[in-house]
Amino acid sequence: ILNVEQSPQSLHVQEGDSTNFTCSFPSSNFYALHWYRWETAKSPEALFVMTLNGDEKKKGRISATLNTKEGYSYLYIKGSQPEDSATYLCASFNDYKLSFGAGTTVTVRA
Amino acid sequence: EAQVTQNPRYLITVTGKKLTVTCSQNMNHEYMSWYRQDPGLGLRQIYYSMNVEVTDKGDVPEGYKVSRKEKRNFPLILESPSPNQTSLYFCASRGDRMNTGELFFGEGSRLTVL
Repeated sequence: ILNVEQSPQSLHVQEGDSTNFTCSFPSSNFYALHWYRWETAKSPEALFVMTLNGDEKKKGRISATLNTKEGYSYLYIKGSQPEDSATYLCASFNDYKLSFGAGTTVTVRA
Repeated sequence: EAQVTQNPRYLITVTGKKLTVTCSQNMNHEYMSWYRQDPGLGLRQIYYSMNVEVTDKGDVPEGYKVSRKEKRNFPLILESPSPNQTSLYFCASRGDRMNTGELFFGEGSRLTVL
C-alpha cells in the first residue's frame, strides 16, 4: 500500500481567511494526483486531477499545485466560507494503483 | 442525473448474518470499485472491476465478495460479517480504465456489525 500522507489532519480557519494544506506522495512511477472534497453524509466529489509537474488548477476559490519531482501537492482555499467545511482527500496514482491519504478536515468558523 | 447509488445507506446487523450492499451507476462506466473508510485511515480498496465478469482484489479483500454480471451493478457481499467489518463503505466508478480519470462516488453505506 502506497504511503500518501496529508497534513494537517484537521484545521480550523476563520471565515474570510485563506488556508492551505499538503499531500505528499511517492514520486516514483507517478501518473496522476487526485483531489476530492467530501462533505459529511455526501459523496466525495472530484476537485482536480493533475498529472504534470508544475501543474496548477483552479476552481472558484480553491486551487491546487503539483510537484511530481519532490512528491507533494498543495490545496489552497482563498477567503474561506462556511460551505468550504469538508474533508479534503488526495489520492496518488503510482504503479497503476490509486492510493488515498487519510484526508484533511477543514472547519470554517463564522 | 449521473450518479452512483448505494443501498442500504445505513445498516446494523449481527455477526454471521450474510448481507449485500448494492451499487449501481448510470454512466455506462466500465470501471467500478469498493472502498472502506475507517477513522484515521485513507480510503482502502476492497475489490475492483475493470468490466463485466472481470473482478480483482484490492488491498483489503478478506471477508468480502463481489460480482459484476452487468455493467451498471457491482454488489458487495459479506458472507459472514464480523465486527471488524464495521465501517463506512463507498462504491465508485470511472469512465476510463486508466487511473488518471476522476472517480464518481456513491453516498456511502455505514455498516455496523454487532
